[in-house]
Amino acid sequence: EDQVTQSPEALRLQEGESSSLNCSYTVSGLRGLFWYRQDPGKGPEFLFTLYSAGEEKEKERLKATLTKKESFLHITAPKPEDSATYLCAVQAEGDMRFGAGTRLTVKP
Amino acid sequence: EPEVTQTPSHQVTQMGQEVILRCVPISNHLYFYWYRQILGQKVEFLVSFYNNEISEKSEIFDDQFSVERPDGSNFTLKIRSTKLEDSAMYFCASSDRNNEKLFFGSGTQLSVL
Repeated sequence: EDQVTQSPEALRLQEGESSSLNCSYTVSGLRGLFWYRQDPGKGPEFLFTLYSAGEEKEKERLKATLTKKESFLHITAPKPEDSATYLCAVQAEGDMRFGAGTRLTVKP
Repeated sequence: EPEVTQTPSHQVTQMGQEVILRCVPISNHLYFYWYRQILGQKVEFLVSFYNNEISEKSEIFDDQFSVERPDGSNFTLKIRSTKLEDSAMYFCASSDRNNEKLFFGSGTQLSVL
């Protein structure tokens, strides 16, 4: 069965303290790996799509990377406004399947 | 910036009642989706819709659920006879290409009493 596992479940950082979030997946025929940000009470907001191993995408303080088994979302010098739940999703043969997310809290 | 809009934002209903959740996808998008998220759990796929028919559906999307695009702008999810376990946040999403990034609405919080 296709699986998407995110770690850690929760992460607390001080402002400026860089870190990485992990998304490991076991799917057949990956068509795309997606990162979304979700704020409380809101729908997921698209961040990145990665299609093949070795690919990297960057946006402001965020950088996403992809290998054949996992993806990392690197957060450089985070700010309190980066606090949110970060969701990973994989698109294979069928529907887009989401991980449980990493709840990030950045303290000033 | 174009966005997906959902109404109502909150819906409270009695068990066994029918509910219709409404969505207006982004206007030039062709692919439409419903997802749900039970409090504290993963976002789960329900159904995808393209060219006026269902493309895929999950095991959650049983005979109690139906979707419709009644006109050129609205996309609805109907639950015929709600159960307590249908309580969740329901998200509509749309995209302009298949298997591409999804644009989500802010959701409808459904509470079944």
